[in-house]
Amino acid sequence: QSVLTQPPSASGTPGQRVTISCSGSSSNIGTNAVNWYQQLPGTAPKLLIYSNNQRPSGVPDRFSGSKSGTSASLAISGLQSEDEANYYCASWDDSLNGPLFGGGTKLTVL
Amino acid sequence: QLLLQESGPGLVKPSETLSLTCTVSGGSITSNNYYWGWIRQPPGKGLEWIGNIYYTGSTYYNPSLKSRVTISVDTSKNQFSLKLSSVTAADTSVYYCARLVVTGKGPGFNWFDPWGQGTLVTVSS
Repeated sequence: QSVLTQPPSASGTPGQRVTISCSGSSSNIGTNAVNWYQQLPGTAPKLLIYSNNQRPSGVPDRFSGSKSGTSASLAISGLQSEDEANYYCASWDDSLNGPLFGGGTKLTVL
Repeated sequence: QLLLQESGPGLVKPSETLSLTCTVSGGSITSNNYYWGWIRQPPGKGLEWIGNIYYTGSTYYNPSLKSRVTISVDTSKNQFSLKLSSVTAADTSVYYCARLVVTGKGPGFNWFDPWGQGTLVTVSS
């Protein structure tokens, strides 16, 4: 089964800008859009970015997404303590004929 | 505001069938452009897609689970359900239901929103 690869951890200090990468293949990110989900401790995942770079209503513009080729990135600027969470990328996979999730990145705000 | 709520036993014995129901409130399960899905997350691990269903009953399953999974819908109750047979300890997870938003751009442009709060199912004798 195809996988989306994310770094297991990332960190930054308040006010900093951090980026989280997501690497896939031609059967997923290379062909389809990327979504990002934020999972705060002990809660369900929440949609953070959809269609590569669109923010749902209520998501601060500190969060932004981008995609290039078979990779995608989530950027968080003006890092805040409440951003400490796990972040998951996801993309439709043509081989799976369904959505594929990355392994998740745990973001720590130092 | 659309809300989803999972319900079902929190403990299932090995080799038995896990059964969960997702109740949708604040909107109709028969709305166009939405599928309804199940996703699971083993403790301390990442997310795994289980399958989706449309209100007409059309289903899509993760091939790795397909032989054991059945997802059904009850439009009269605004609910959809998950059955996973022959469970083992490896099926111990938090199970989430979620709405899959489908756009006209094709299957590659869809996303899960919102999600239910999740329910922990432990497989143990």
